[in-house]
Amino acid sequence: ETGVTQSPTHLIKTRGQQVTLRCSSQSGHNTVSWYQQALGQGPQFIFQYYREEENGRGNFPPRFSGLQFPNYSSELNVNALELDDSALYLCASSAKGLAGGPKGYEQYFGPGTRLTVT
Amino acid sequence: SQQGEEDPQALSIQEGENATMNCSYKTSINNLQWYRQNSGRGLVHLILIRSNEREKHSGRLRVTLDTSKKSSSLLITASRAADTASYFCATDARGGSNYKLTFGKGTLLTVNP
Repeated sequence: ETGVTQSPTHLIKTRGQQVTLRCSSQSGHNTVSWYQQALGQGPQFIFQYYREEENGRGNFPPRFSGLQFPNYSSELNVNALELDDSALYLCASSAKGLAGGPKGYEQYFGPGTRLTVT
Repeated sequence: SQQGEEDPQALSIQEGENATMNCSYKTSINNLQWYRQNSGRGLVHLILIRSNEREKHSGRLRVTLDTSKKSSSLLITASRAADTASYFCATDARGGSNYKLTFGKGTLLTVNP
């Protein structure tokens, strides 16, 4: 088990609604990345937050947005939910710039939030 | 888009046998990592190999990397039922600054007792 926690565990929303997912990073980590994993697929990078700023974004529309707080925890917000947004949302923390060598690239994942859009 | 492709998509073996999974990727990389995922839960980091390394071991895991072929393999020796999971390779691109990982679609490994 990593020290990364996510809430809620499961969520059911209706198309057009908005959702906020939360993530607490592992102690000592300063970077949080969010991934979307559709059923039967590998995780897809949404964006990454470092020092409270977005530090890279994948191929996701602007209705996917996020925040990182001074304690390095993070939120993922999705507006105007679509049926295709149904997926497992994973956050991962890492120690960018803190860990020596390639260790900063190792990401520690939370258990995920299962979002179902109906 | 997916960077890597794992092969095979699914693998079923008996306890005690070895399991080999392969991964191919498209762009130049800094590092390649392997992760395990149990039943749609969070991913667990297994091992990282740098682009200038060719082989790495960790317990029952052996990873090889061939950058000329843009491919990697993960060998799990003496498999156990508890190794049943999906296995993903993930790469971070050379020159990338945001530590973004690009995952393949994964190999579903089933170890039968």
